[in-house]
Amino acid sequence: AQSVTQLDSQVPVFEEAPVELRCNYSSSVSVYLFWYVQYPNQGLQLLLKYLSGSTLVESINGFEAEFNKSQTSFHLRKPSVHISDTAEYFCAPPQGGSEKLVFGKGTKLTVNP
Amino acid sequence: ETGVTQSPTHLIKTRGQQVTLRCSSQSGHNTVSWYQQALGQGPQFIFQYYREEENGRGNFPPRFSGLQFPNYSSELNVNALELDDSALYLCASSWGRGRGEETQYFGPGTRLLVL
Repeated sequence: AQSVTQLDSQVPVFEEAPVELRCNYSSSVSVYLFWYVQYPNQGLQLLLKYLSGSTLVESINGFEAEFNKSQTSFHLRKPSVHISDTAEYFCAPPQGGSEKLVFGKGTKLTVNP
Repeated sequence: ETGVTQSPTHLIKTRGQQVTLRCSSQSGHNTVSWYQQALGQGPQFIFQYYREEENGRGNFPPRFSGLQFPNYSSELNVNALELDDSALYLCASSWGRGRGEETQYFGPGTRLLVL
């Protein structure tokens, strides 16, 4: 079965600093990779996803993630974070051949002024 | 375009009771998935409905059951509530083709507390 490891449960950073949120997944099944974000008191929303093609995918708010097949990783990065990026981030590949999302435990990103 | 809505937003029940949670999918979507998010954890897949049929189930006991209606709205029913059922229950809708590439759109959730 698919499993997902998010290596950091909490990541505190200062505003305008770079950040990397790490995600490793089991190599068994999924060919697609997703990152979802949960802002305080809001529902989950898709941040970005890798389906095929270029291994580097970008979101509209400056995040990017790189699919690395050999390391079975899909780390999320942003070169300069804002206070508004404070949220919980979930790596969530779908289990192969289905729409069942397999969520990691999440990484709480806190951006301090 | 209306997003995914869930009701109620909060609910308090006691052990042994039954609860029904409701979800209205986003306009045009035919697939609804339910997830349970315990405090401090990532969401766990409960089950999915595609065009009124169950289309996959996670590791949840049979006392968790569901329905999808012709308008693609959905219900999650939990019988014989246990303390560990206390969690945020999330509903997500998508235009499902079953291959996994579709984006799921989540509702705000129903927070259930079992005393």
